[in-house]
Amino acid sequence: GQNIDQPTEMTATEGAIVQINCTYQTSGFNGLFWYQQHAGEAPTFLSYNVLDGLEEKGRFSSFLSRSKGYSYPLLKELQMKDSASYLCTMNSGGYQKVTFGIGTKLQVIP
Amino acid sequence: ETGVTQTPRHLVMGMTNKKSLKCEQHLGHNAMYWYKQSAKKPLELMFVYSLEERVENNSVPSRFSPECPNSSHLFLHLHTLQPEDSALYLCASSQTGQGSYEQYFGPGTRLTVT
Repeated sequence: GQNIDQPTEMTATEGAIVQINCTYQTSGFNGLFWYQQHAGEAPTFLSYNVLDGLEEKGRFSSFLSRSKGYSYPLLKELQMKDSASYLCTMNSGGYQKVTFGIGTKLQVIP
Repeated sequence: ETGVTQTPRHLVMGMTNKKSLKCEQHLGHNAMYWYKQSAKKPLELMFVYSLEERVENNSVPSRFSPECPNSSHLFLHLHTLQPEDSALYLCASSQTGQGSYEQYFGPGTRLTVT
C-alpha cells in the first residue's frame, strides 16, 4: 500500500528557517512533490524531486532521500505570507498515480 | 490565476437535486483531474482524464458522474448526493509524457449538501 506521514501543525518565527518532514511508503516511486495551500485557496506547485539530494530555489529548497523514504522542504527567511499548509505528495507511477499527504499547517509568528 | 477556472465557486443543493460542476483549463494541458478535499483529510483523487479518456476512477460512488468533452473542459455531474459529500471539489490539469506532471489547480467549488 501507500502511506504518507507528515506533522499536522508547526509554528515558526518570522525570519527563521523551518524544515517540514515527510516520510512515505510505497511499492512504486517516481518522485515527490511539495505543494503549498493557503487557507481557502487551491494548492500551488512548489517542487518536484526525483533524485536524492537538496534542490534549491531561492528561499525554498527541497530534499529527498529515496532509500529512506524521506523528504522535506526547507523554507528560509520566513515571512508571514509563508503561513499555509504544505502538502507532501507522492508520484508512484505516471501522471495519474499521485497521492497527497494530509498537509502540515505552518503558522509563522512575529 | 493558475489558468484553471471552476464554476460555480459555491453550491448548496438538496439531496434530490441534480447539478453540475464545470472546470476549464487554458494551459494547453492534456490531462485533467477531479479531487475532493474534506476537512482534516488528504486530497482524494476521484477521476483522471487524459485526451478525453478516463484513465482513473478511484472507487467513486455512481452519484458522481464525470464528463470530459474535450481536453480543455471537465464536468462533474452530481445527483442524489448525501450530506457527507459536502466538501471542496478541486479540478486540476497537467501535461503527460516527459516531465514532472505538476498539477495546476482551480479555485474549487465549495459544495454543501442539505
